[in-house]
Amino acid sequence: GAGVSQSPSNKVTEKGKDVELRCDPISGHTALYWYRQSLGQGLEFLIYFQGNSAPDKSGLPSDRFSAERTGGSVSTLTIQRTQQEDSAVYLCASSLEGGNGANVLTFGAGSRLTVL
Amino acid sequence: SQKIEQNSEALNIQEGKTATLTCNYTNYSPAYLQWYRQDPGRGPVFLLLIRENEKEKRKERLKVTFDTTLKQSLFHITASQPADSATYLCALTSGTYKYIFGTGTRLKVLA
Repeated sequence: GAGVSQSPSNKVTEKGKDVELRCDPISGHTALYWYRQSLGQGLEFLIYFQGNSAPDKSGLPSDRFSAERTGGSVSTLTIQRTQQEDSAVYLCASSLEGGNGANVLTFGAGSRLTVL
Repeated sequence: SQKIEQNSEALNIQEGKTATLTCNYTNYSPAYLQWYRQDPGRGPVFLLLIRENEKEKRKERLKVTFDTTLKQSLFHITASQPADSATYLCALTSGTYKYIFGTGTRLKVLA
């Protein structure tokens, strides 16, 4: 697509429920990133995909968080048994290549998650 | 631990003036530094990239400097306009996929 598309744009859920956040990167972009942005905080790195593989999952806050990417394209971030501290904006970005800090990240508009 | 600091307080300036935003870092040796703009409810948008061996980069009304001795980058917007009002984020990377972002500085240009 023309840009990075994320869905849903807003999600309100009850504590303990599972949520899935979807990211559709720019066509042809091999690298995909998930970040989390809490109010007043910087972007927190969650996970990086190169193609379908995730060489670095170190940013995932707990084992309740998981992510996958299929067909080198769409990615899903899943949060199980959500907690109130999971409330944040989840941003997805893609770049033409990965592993090189000269790559420009193109971000989606984000998915705002609110856990009641 | 690695730390990036940007002015946490909002910066208000008068239209037409030059806005200067700072990005300071510690315990890090970045190979690249990028600046992004973020509007409310939107994801960050790339503005400029500067490499460690470059002192300055310009793009239209924007200028970025990078001083690896001071561990600081300055971001300038000349002839500022109300449309420049946004949050500006700096991001550092050592040359891998891991970008470390600052918390951003909110800029408001007053008409």
